[in-house]
Amino acid sequence: QLHLQESGPGLVEPSETLSLTCTVSGGSVSSGSVRGKTYYWAWVRQPPGKGLEWIGTVYYTGNTYYKSALQSRITISVDTSKNQFSLRLTSVTAADSAIYYCARLRSPGDFDYWGQGTPVTVSS
Amino acid sequence: QSALTQPASVSGSPGQSITISCAGTNSDVGSYNIVSWYQQHPGKAPKVMIYEVSERPSGVSNRFSGSKSGNTASLTISGLQAEDEADYYCCSYAGGNHWVFGGGTKLTVL
Repeated sequence: QLHLQESGPGLVEPSETLSLTCTVSGGSVSSGSVRGKTYYWAWVRQPPGKGLEWIGTVYYTGNTYYKSALQSRITISVDTSKNQFSLRLTSVTAADSAIYYCARLRSPGDFDYWGQGTPVTVSS
Repeated sequence: QSALTQPASVSGSPGQSITISCAGTNSDVGSYNIVSWYQQHPGKAPKVMIYEVSERPSGVSNRFSGSKSGNTASLTISGLQAEDEADYYCCSYAGGNHWVFGGGTKLTVL
């Protein structure tokens, strides 16, 4: 059974950089394509009391895809040796406060496995 | 990449059926049969209930079904049960390896 676990600081000061890591167990971030399905690794966030927002995806090769509005501030990377993928979001503001989820994206269809989520507050 | 449009809330009595709509555009829902639905209970991570418009993952009750017409996708829950009370989100592929979620719908079981 695949398990994803987010880790990182729960409090980030405004204008600083938010950094989170997702550790994958029970499977490999290098899965690539298996039995006709292609697997990517994604970050989804949820501001307090609001809906879900896809913010970006990485493939095990390092190819990345980002939400347009965050393009200039976001970096997602993968470390196959540690079976992890990571999120960096620079120049954060209060609007970046949210629960951040890591998830597996099973292309073409859905986000089929999720971490439990980690809350991040941007405040001084 | 504007969020898909869902009703803020729906309600139904146990045993009844409800439908949640998810309105997109011809750049997302209307162009791809890649719509998924997620159930989220308070304080929990989302759980996929429907993928690729109408496919049900193993273990998900057949009371949950999905469909699509034009730019609008729908999730129907039949035989409502108390445990179905949760927030529901639709999600669509939007091209170029981008994804967009709906704003979410709170389902209340009366």
